[in-house]
Amino acid sequence: DGGITQSPKYLFRKEGQNVTLSCEQNLNHDAMYWYRQDPGQGLRLIYYSQIVNDFQKGDIAEGYSVSREKKESFPLTVTSAQKNPTAFYLCASSISAQGSQPQHFGDGTRLSIL
Amino acid sequence: KNQVEQSPQSLIILEGKNCTLQCNYTVSPFSNLRWYKQDTGRGPVSLTIMTFSENTKSNGRYTATLDADTKQSSLHITASQLSDSASYICVVEGKSTFGDGTTLTVKP
Repeated sequence: DGGITQSPKYLFRKEGQNVTLSCEQNLNHDAMYWYRQDPGQGLRLIYYSQIVNDFQKGDIAEGYSVSREKKESFPLTVTSAQKNPTAFYLCASSISAQGSQPQHFGDGTRLSIL
Repeated sequence: KNQVEQSPQSLIILEGKNCTLQCNYTVSPFSNLRWYKQDTGRGPVSLTIMTFSENTKSNGRYTATLDADTKQSSLHITASQLSDSASYICVVEGKSTFGDGTTLTVKP
């Protein structure tokens, strides 16, 4: 079955540590996205990528970095500069970033501070 | 400021009852309005999408309405089931502005 796989499901970060969240899709979608979800709040866009080797900052990119070396992969690194990283992180993809294309979401990674 | 506001924040209903969730938006320009269902600990799943010219769209027991003049949308759930317990998120596409969601709990 086609879909988006996020790993790990749970992740713990120590102070001063960088951690990387994995997102892989086999839907052959061009566009991929990273969102952060905090309790009782809407999804906020961190980064998005419309095509391989290209990505754009979203609304809350500070303290995060991404890469898009392959079409199917869009890893997110939460750096030590992100002082409040505890959240639920969702990766999504869509056929393209244009038009009314639905976003397909993974099942998320929950990141916590040790 | 572009905003999407959903109400109520949470809702508890008995199995078999109907309910209506509200979404008001000030996002401009308007592209499409989509409703997602998000089960606890899972990613959102698209329920319906409505374009500017559409007033009503159904997906099984889910019916979405859109009034582009008043910038309001609603999601009506008919004959609720326990599996409807989830968070329902309204999104105005174009600028991908997400509402905070309504948490629905269906009790037996």
